[in-house]
Amino acid sequence: AQSVSQHNHHVILSEAASLELGCNYSYGGTVNLFWYVQYPGQHLQLLLKYFSGDPLVKGIKGFEAEFIKSKFSFNLRKPSVQWSDTAEYFCAVNTGTYKYIFGTGTRLKVLA
Amino acid sequence: KAGVTQTPRYLIKTRGQQVTLSCSPISGHRSVSWYQQTPGQGLQFLFEYFSETQRNKGNFPGRFSGRQFSNSRSEMNVSTLELGDSALYLCASSLGDGNTEAFFGQGTRLTVV
Repeated sequence: AQSVSQHNHHVILSEAASLELGCNYSYGGTVNLFWYVQYPGQHLQLLLKYFSGDPLVKGIKGFEAEFIKSKFSFNLRKPSVQWSDTAEYFCAVNTGTYKYIFGTGTRLKVLA
Repeated sequence: KAGVTQTPRYLIKTRGQQVTLSCSPISGHRSVSWYQQTPGQGLQFLFEYFSETQRNKGNFPGRFSGRQFSNSRSEMNVSTLELGDSALYLCASSLGDGNTEAFFGQGTRLTVV
């Protein structure tokens, strides 16, 4: 069955630290990949997406992610986090079956 | 452009009751998906509708059902509520072609007591 794994469930960083959140998926075919963010009390928002082309994609708020097909990974990165990045981050995959498969999420807390 | 609207925002029901949740997608979006979000489980896919037809269904019992109307608005129904149904239910809309992102509503927080 298709699945998405997010290895870090809770991450605590100080402001200005670098961030990398892991995401791996299990599916051998073509995928569309997403990272969503959920700020406290708010709805899920799209951070970035990958459909095809350059495997390094840039999103909003300085986030980027790299698709490595051979590793079935789509890790999220940010060089320098801010307190306002405190949120829950979800990796998601769409395999063209009209449903999105989400990871269990990573709660990021940034200390001021 | 208005976003995805879910009503109501909060619901408290007792075991055994049934509940209906509503979702209005972004104008022009014909696909509506429903997800159950619980701590530690992430988002679990319930079902997806496109042009009033269910195209995909997750692994939930038959107590969970849905429908979509001709104006793309969707409703989700849960019958014979159980304590474990307490969760945030999220609706997402998209163009439905499988190649565009989904836009989420703020969800309906259902508490079963």
